[in-house]
Amino acid sequence: RKEVEQDPGPFNVPEGATVAFNCTYSNSASQSFFWYRQDCRKEPKLLMSVYSSGNEDGRFTAQLNRASQYISLLIRDSKLSDSATYLCVVLLWSARQLTFGSGTQLTVLP
Amino acid sequence: DTEVTQTPKHLVMGMTNKKSLKCEQHMGHRAMYWYKQKAKKPPELMFVYSYEKLSINESVPSRFSPECPNSSLLNLHLHALQPEDSALYLCASSQDNTEAFFGQGTRLTVV
Repeated sequence: RKEVEQDPGPFNVPEGATVAFNCTYSNSASQSFFWYRQDCRKEPKLLMSVYSSGNEDGRFTAQLNRASQYISLLIRDSKLSDSATYLCVVLLWSARQLTFGSGTQLTVLP
Repeated sequence: DTEVTQTPKHLVMGMTNKKSLKCEQHMGHRAMYWYKQKAKKPPELMFVYSYEKLSINESVPSRFSPECPNSSLLNLHLHALQPEDSALYLCASSQDNTEAFFGQGTRLTVV
């Protein structure tokens, strides 16, 4: 079983749609969680950290469920510029080890 | 300044060449990483340096040799690479147990 699993997609949605990505992780000792965004041929960039209480940044909402070892990202009112690959990332503090999910590809269509 | 700088941006090398990739950050981060990324795949961890000491080597072949001269610099020395080593090599840094910041990467082609 992969340490971090994501639905690879692709997700093709129209502008203005709401889209949700899910991610599960296998190591219950994992302690920090992030969503990164990666554009084609570019480096990953931090989109947001994920907290148990849930957190929101504009059109983006992230949730963490430690009991189910599940992380989600919700994008509301999708824009063309949201087209990218979204990577779920889990950090194990003791090892300073970031583990990436395989990424979910999103294309927002005009 | 949340910048991680990598040089060169592109590199083409022969299988008998020796080259080095360089990475620099001035955020005071004490953890630095090398990742390898192939097309349409997520980044794969190669090495982690913590407080200038190698803490993780993910069974990387010895033709890749990391070096951390000081807390701001991270090098990756390359020697006798194979064509399948062609990939995007990403450097990242982080403060203790927080998010990592990535450089733009070096796109390496081995011919």
